[in-house]
Amino acid sequence: GENVEQHPSTLSVQEGDSAVIKCTYSDSASNYFPWYKQELGKGPQLIIDIRSNVGEKKDQRIAVTLNKTAKHFSLHITETQPEDSAVYFCAAGGAGGTSYGKLTFGQGTILTVHP
Amino acid sequence: GAGVSQSPSNKVTEKGKDVELRCDPISGHTALYWYRQSLGQGLEFLIYFQGNSAPDKSGLPSDRFSAERTGGSVSTLTIQRTQQEDSAVYLCASSLAGHTGELFFGEGSRLTVL
Repeated sequence: GENVEQHPSTLSVQEGDSAVIKCTYSDSASNYFPWYKQELGKGPQLIIDIRSNVGEKKDQRIAVTLNKTAKHFSLHITETQPEDSAVYFCAAGGAGGTSYGKLTFGQGTILTVHP
Repeated sequence: GAGVSQSPSNKVTEKGKDVELRCDPISGHTALYWYRQSLGQGLEFLIYFQGNSAPDKSGLPSDRFSAERTGGSVSTLTIQRTQQEDSAVYLCASSLAGHTGELFFGEGSRLTVL
């Protein structure tokens, strides 16, 4: 089955700096790669996703890049703000035509943005 | 309500007891998922319902776990003869359909087995 590794497990940055979180996956048939943000006591919330026919996607301060050959994808947050502090999860899915909601998640990155 | 609703939000039970966790998805969403999140860990897929199709139970960790979805809406996750390793947050999510991607999660049910 699919295996997703996520690094780093914790990331501390100063407000205004950039943050980068990296993930690798094992199943070359995976074709859907979402990123979720989870705040304390809440369920995860989708912040951006990318499909395997695209190499990069950007939404305001957030961008995701995908390297299918190397089987890794990354989340980039620019101009970080204290409200970006949360746990971020990468995930992979869609292999073999399975539901895009049946995902294998990484272990999470605790991002702390210091004012 | 506008979002996915789960109950109870917290459940403390004794080892060996059965528990039921409930999920009320967003109206109109045909796909419903259960995930488990152990302390400090990522999310682990448990089961997936899509419309009237047979559920995908491939993530259920043992035969003590079962789930049903009545009338294509509300779902119940049942854990029989609970064990301490079952302690976790159980998250329910729904989506418009299985191929649409975005999952809308509830706030979860925190289960503690003593």
